[in-house]
Amino acid sequence: EDQVTQSPEALRLQEGESSSLNCSYTVSGLRGLFWYRQDPGKGPEFLFTLYSAGEEKEKERLKATLTKKESFLHITAPKPEDSATYLCAVQTFSGGYNKLIFGAGTRLAVHP
Amino acid sequence: DTEVTQTPKHLVMGMTNKKSLKCEQHMGHRAMYWYKQKAKKPPELMFVYSYEKLSINESVPSRFSPECPNSSLLNLHLHALQPEDSALYLCASSPRAGGARDGYTFGSGTRLTVV
Repeated sequence: EDQVTQSPEALRLQEGESSSLNCSYTVSGLRGLFWYRQDPGKGPEFLFTLYSAGEEKEKERLKATLTKKESFLHITAPKPEDSATYLCAVQTFSGGYNKLIFGAGTRLAVHP
Repeated sequence: DTEVTQTPKHLVMGMTNKKSLKCEQHMGHRAMYWYKQKAKKPPELMFVYSYEKLSINESVPSRFSPECPNSSLLNLHLHALQPEDSALYLCASSPRAGGARDGYTFGSGTRLTVV
């Protein structure tokens, strides 16, 4: 069964304290791994797509990496405005169509 | 226009009511999706439409009825819902149901409360 697991469930950081979020997956056929940011009561906001092991993407203080079994979202010198839930999702092929399967997310709180 | 617009933003309905959620995109995307998200849980796929045809129904109860009148519009008709159906309902789109290299675009959601 396709599965996406994110850790930690919640993370509290001081402003400027760098850290990493983990997304591990077991899927029958990976067709892309996505990172989203979600603020309370809002829809997920697209951050990155990664397709192959070794691939890296960067955007401001965020950097996403991908291996054959997991992905990391590195946050460098975070600011309070980076506080949000970060969702990892994998795209798999099932029933003739691509499907997006989400992990449970990591709730990040960055304090001044 | 790079947005998915959902209306209403909030909806409170009784268990005997009939209501509809609306989703609109003008990005030329040919695949549209409904997701359900409970508090502190990840979004769960409900339906996938590809080229205005229903492609995937994830065993969703019949009290939820999707409709895709055209390539820009997706509706979710609600009838005889239960309190446990209260959730954030998210609409998303992608260029095609074959996936999207640049991710799926999500709307801000409709916060539904069933009383």
